[in-house]
Amino acid sequence: DTEVTQTPKHLVMGMTNKKSLKCEQHMGHRAMYWYKQKAKKPPELMFVYSYEKLSINESVPSRFSPECPNSSLLNLHLHALQPEDSALYLCASSRRQRVGWDETQYFGPGTRLLVL
Amino acid sequence: DQQVKQNSPSLSVQEGRISILNCDYTNSMFDYFLWYKKYPAEGPTFLISISSIKDKNEDGRFTVFLNKSAKHLSLHIVPSQPGDSAVYFCAASAKGAQKLVFGQGTRLTINP
Repeated sequence: DTEVTQTPKHLVMGMTNKKSLKCEQHMGHRAMYWYKQKAKKPPELMFVYSYEKLSINESVPSRFSPECPNSSLLNLHLHALQPEDSALYLCASSRRQRVGWDETQYFGPGTRLLVL
Repeated sequence: DQQVKQNSPSLSVQEGRISILNCDYTNSMFDYFLWYKKYPAEGPTFLISISSIKDKNEDGRFTVFLNKSAKHLSLHIVPSQPGDSAVYFCAASAKGAQKLVFGQGTRLTINP
């Protein structure tokens, strides 16, 4: 089983709203990732959690706030977003953070976010 | 600076023929390469990978070739099937690195 689940599938929010994206995996992976993907572009890394600790923040604006409550769950809290933040937000997980054999990143289906 | 490049935004191939997707990279420290396939409204699905100690890796209909001297890799799909129609992303990582670098993607269309 290589399944990463994400909820919700779609989200529409205003610029003053607060919302959260949720990601879950039960593969025993200890690294979890948030990516942002705009249309016709590759995924861009936002955050990496390794053993429930934030290890990489790719200079993401503070209106995006990640949280890793336990080894299976990853949240992305959204507040005061801008219309240009509209994108597909992808969660991924891997056995460990280091890339290589047996460390393949498995992606969830994504949450399509529209900010009005 | 784009370290991983997929110069063909799209490719159209007839069903049953071979599809060849190409990827070039500039960072000589990259030593692990992956191909992901993505359908619309879904996340990328891992397809196949290759380490720099190999020049070929095969998995069923999919074969990845790596030419380190040319800093080039390719994905061969034989025979191509309609279900292969998707966007294909090449990704790379340097030894011990903690993140992947993705190419821009190539949209493959398999025509019946």
